[in-house]
Amino acid sequence: GAVVSQHPSWVICKSGTSVKIECRSLDFQATTMFWYRQFPKQSLMLMATSNEGSKATYEQGVEKDKFLINHASLTLSTLTVTSAHPEDSSFYICSASAPGGVYGYTFGSGTRLTVV
Amino acid sequence: QKEVEQNSGPLSVPEGAIASLNCTYSDRGSQSFFWYRQYSGKSPELIMFIYSNGDKEDGRFTAQLNKASQYVSLLIRDSQPSDSATYLCAATKNQAGTALIFGKGTTLSVSS
Repeated sequence: GAVVSQHPSWVICKSGTSVKIECRSLDFQATTMFWYRQFPKQSLMLMATSNEGSKATYEQGVEKDKFLINHASLTLSTLTVTSAHPEDSSFYICSASAPGGVYGYTFGSGTRLTVV
Repeated sequence: QKEVEQNSGPLSVPEGAIASLNCTYSDRGSQSFFWYRQYSGKSPELIMFIYSNGDKEDGRFTAQLNKASQYVSLLIRDSQPSDSATYLCAATKNQAGTALIFGKGTTLSVSS
């Protein structure tokens, strides 16, 4: 149980375009989802916390207008990187949470974004 | 200010040896602690978690928690080359909707 599916696993896009990344909880309802970004040889940095039906809470230094997060249902959260630039190239990972237990820390497989 | 600290390594051990990975945290409000293993280009995978002071064993892995010293460790017995990866320590306040905060990770290399 507690499977999180993240799609796509990798994407290459042109500078200035937008990219949407999906994170789905397959066998449980995720009241909270977390989005992380990881640069090479660095740790996972929390970008934002999204709660179903409400606005995401962004960490300091993360541009909310650039990284749009939508958590419209208990099984789906999306991260849209708008007007992507090469410096946005990174590994993006979602984690889904449900009340109680360790479900809250189930991770998706990650999305490798390369902006050219 | 970093909340979770780890030595980046690399930590090198021979096959069959015990690997000891350490982590400290600054937020005394942290309640739960997790060890993840991450292979290059992959998402982290949970090894084990610990809530209470003391030791917790799971197969070849033992997690140790000392809340007074704000210290968490992971021991890997009979290390195998397949254990070579980056090990991430993470902490959370255990409140609903609270994210995991990760350390930078320790790179472990097990030589055969």
